[in-house]
Amino acid sequence: AQSVAQPEDQVNVAEGNPLTVKCTYSVSGNPYLFWYVQYPNRGLQFLLKYITGDNLVKGSYGFEAEFNKSQTSFHLKKPSALVSDSALYFCAVRVMNTGFQKLVFGTGTRLLVSP
Amino acid sequence: ETGVTQSPTHLIKTRGQQVTLRCSSQSGHNTVSWYQQALGQGPQFIFQYYREEENGRGNFPPRFSGLQFPNYSSELNVNALELDDSALYLCASSPDGALGEKLFFGSGTQLSVL
Repeated sequence: AQSVAQPEDQVNVAEGNPLTVKCTYSVSGNPYLFWYVQYPNRGLQFLLKYITGDNLVKGSYGFEAEFNKSQTSFHLKKPSALVSDSALYFCAVRVMNTGFQKLVFGTGTRLLVSP
Repeated sequence: ETGVTQSPTHLIKTRGQQVTLRCSSQSGHNTVSWYQQALGQGPQFIFQYYREEENGRGNFPPRFSGLQFPNYSSELNVNALELDDSALYLCASSPDGALGEKLFFGSGTQLSVL
């Protein structure tokens, strides 16, 4: 089964420091990978995607993610964290079925950025 | 904001009851997917509708059913509610039937089953 794993329930970082939120994937074939963010009482918002091409993907709000095929990872990064980045982050993989496609999400990582 | 609206925002039901959740997709989007997000979990795919037909389903029992209307809005119906159905239900739309490269999510309906 195609899946993603987020090994950390929570990541704590001080404002201004770099942040990394980890994701590993288990996919047959070429993976289509996504990061979404969820703020309190809100739905999920798209951050970025990897389909093919450059291993470093740039997305919204200064976030980027690095696709590493040898380590089957797709970690989310930001050079300088903001308090407003505090939220729940989900990694996801697109799974293709007959006639439709769906996203399979990880369990989420809560990012807490302290002032 | 994504342009996807869901109603109601919160709902409390008792076990055995039936519930209907509603979703208006973003303008121009003909595909709607529903996801269930239990507390502390990632969203789980329930089913997808494309041009008024269900064209994909996740591992949910038949008491979870849906509709899509000609204007591409959608409903999720759950019969015989169980305590484990308590969750945030998310609707997502996309602009093509093959699930576009990203989904546009609504803010969800928080369902509590007592």
